[in-house]
Amino acid sequence: EAQVTQNPRYLITVTGKKLTVTCSQNMNHEYMSWYRQDPGLGLRQIYYSMNVEVTDKGDVPEGYKVSRKEKRNFPLILESPSPNQTSLYFCASSLWGRAGELFFGEGSRLTVL
Amino acid sequence: DAKTTQPPSMDCAEGRAANLPCNHSTISGNEYVYWYRQIHSQGPQYIIHGLKNNETNEMASLIITEDRKSSTLILPHATLRDTAVYYCIVRVRDTGNQFYFGTGTSLTVIP
Repeated sequence: EAQVTQNPRYLITVTGKKLTVTCSQNMNHEYMSWYRQDPGLGLRQIYYSMNVEVTDKGDVPEGYKVSRKEKRNFPLILESPSPNQTSLYFCASSLWGRAGELFFGEGSRLTVL
Repeated sequence: DAKTTQPPSMDCAEGRAANLPCNHSTISGNEYVYWYRQIHSQGPQYIIHGLKNNETNEMASLIITEDRKSSTLILPHATLRDTAVYYCIVRVRDTGNQFYFGTGTSLTVIP
């Protein structure tokens, strides 16, 4: 089954404790992206990647890192989480040339205390 | 990418057509119109996209005005499961750059 898988789905952590949210897709998609969603602000793009070893900042990259060492994986790293990073996070992927037809994961709800 | 304007909320009676408008007056010639929806807090779901011709698939129809400055997503027979936030996005199709979702239209289908 074609899918984008995120882990963990739910996480409560404390300020400053490094964490990684993993994202994996099994569709051989070149394009991958991370979004965060907050009430009243809609979906905002954090980082995106157009292919292996190619990443770029979205609208709200501060406090986040990403890597794209393999085509299928695009982890989101919070080196020192803060309460303002409490949010619902989505990973998405698409084929190059069909970059508007995104497949989304189920989301990861992160709470930073 | 051009910006879009959508009403924040709409209601529709179950079984009737839901017509969701989107304004994109600054759209340029190579930009497509995309529609997504998000049910509760699930990941957004791609619905349909088009350039200038009207498009239809198993989920919805997309009507784009001749001047391309606005479009309408039509759900022909709305069901309760169509209650969701609907996002209209305008972007160049083949570029892998940023993708702006905005805040969308919250559609409530009423029994």
